[in-house]
Amino acid sequence: NAGVTQTPKFRVLKTGQSMTLLCAQDMNHEYMYWYRQDPGMGLRLIHYSVGEGTTAKGEVPDGYNVSRLKKQNFLLGLESAAPSQTSVYFCASSFGTDGNTIYFGEGSWLTVV
Amino acid sequence: GIQVEQSPPDLILQEGANSTLRCNFSDSVNNLQWFHQNPWGQLINLFYIPSGTKQNGRLSATTVATERYSLLYISSSQTTDSGVYFCAVGRVLSSGTYKYIFGTGTRLKVLA
Repeated sequence: NAGVTQTPKFRVLKTGQSMTLLCAQDMNHEYMYWYRQDPGMGLRLIHYSVGEGTTAKGEVPDGYNVSRLKKQNFLLGLESAAPSQTSVYFCASSFGTDGNTIYFGEGSWLTVV
Repeated sequence: GIQVEQSPPDLILQEGANSTLRCNFSDSVNNLQWFHQNPWGQLINLFYIPSGTKQNGRLSATTVATERYSLLYISSSQTTDSGVYFCAVGRVLSSGTYKYIFGTGTRLKVLA
């Protein structure tokens, strides 16, 4: 019953440091997504992938990179963290588009100081 | 791009009361889902409902795609219903790619 798993759950970074968030799903989903959620706001799409080896930009892609080398994993990288990237990051996955529910991980709390 | 607006932004209810949450969207969509984000931050699927009406216990939802809105009904509210309710719409773009866009949510607090 793993579903969508994110690691790490919590992290504190210094400005300029780099890090990678890992998302893993065991549902054989084609689509995977990274969102960020800021206080009092909805979720905004950072990047997404429609299949292994593919990635695409979402609404707020600047400062982030992603990779989908394996179907079950979607990595989100911050090359040089900034305080504006302090947020809660959610990974999600779905089989495809129409008719398919999107499932979320439990979130990763990132603070950049 | 497509706009998703939810109302009301905040709602306080006494336990046992009923409520209606609304989601308006500015363009045609291929997919619409309602989520509940509990006080611990978990996002829980409530309904996949691009059109029509569905019910699950005390919750039900109706989407009128032609008029570009969806409603979430909560009956006999309980304190465990507290949290934020999000509407998310999915759309296939002309490029063939697909996007899910979230509304800003309705923050619900149910008082005992």
